[in-house]
Amino acid sequence: QVQLVQSGAEVKKPGASVKVSCKASGYTFTSYYMHWVRQAPGQGLEWMGIINPSGGSTSYAQKFQGRVTMTRDTSTSTVYMELSSLRSEDTAVYYCARVLTDRDAFDIWGQGTMVTVSS
Amino acid sequence: DIQMTQSPSTLSASVGDRVTITCRASQSISSWLAWYQQKPGKAPKLLIYKASSLESGVPSRFSGSGSGTEFTLTISSLQPDDFATYYCQQYNSYGWTFGQGTKVEIK
Repeated sequence: QVQLVQSGAEVKKPGASVKVSCKASGYTFTSYYMHWVRQAPGQGLEWMGIINPSGGSTSYAQKFQGRVTMTRDTSTSTVYMELSSLRSEDTAVYYCARVLTDRDAFDIWGQGTMVTVSS
Repeated sequence: DIQMTQSPSTLSASVGDRVTITCRASQSISSWLAWYQQKPGKAPKLLIYKASSLESGVPSRFSGSGSGTEFTLTISSLQPDDFATYYCQQYNSYGWTFGQGTKVEIK
């Protein structure tokens, strides 16, 4: 079945970087875009960026420009989201979610990865 | 970025009630709107796309309507499994944005 499986929880110190993975299965990896969305504890959903696994092109939310990098590995059907210069406000659950085109709703989501930033 | 505003933020209702949640966009998004349901500790689940299209497998008691800047999600007869938080999302333009969420609580 179609699924997105994310890497496990992370605890990082302020100033460090984190890299979260999202492994796709059950569909053609390069046929769907992938978004990253985060959710701080008790808060709403915040869009971070999108990657096209086919060519690797990306588009990031202005808020994260310069701090976020999204990449993919087509050999393992995995996308990655790396966030640098972490601060306490980056403590959140990070989700990947796929779309067929960049004009589609997010139909399949990963289970989420909790990232805690604490000294 | 396009701002999405949901109302109410919290809604108390009973099983069997008809429930309506409203979402307003800061500018026209045509019909590029989705609704998601999220339960505690779980990822969001797509319910409605393109403002009024029901995602496969979603019960028919859920329906969506609207276009332009005003949208609604209606649950025709609230069931125990429907107590959750609901988010609208626009995907009209790059810079996808979500509403702040509406928590549906047991009355």
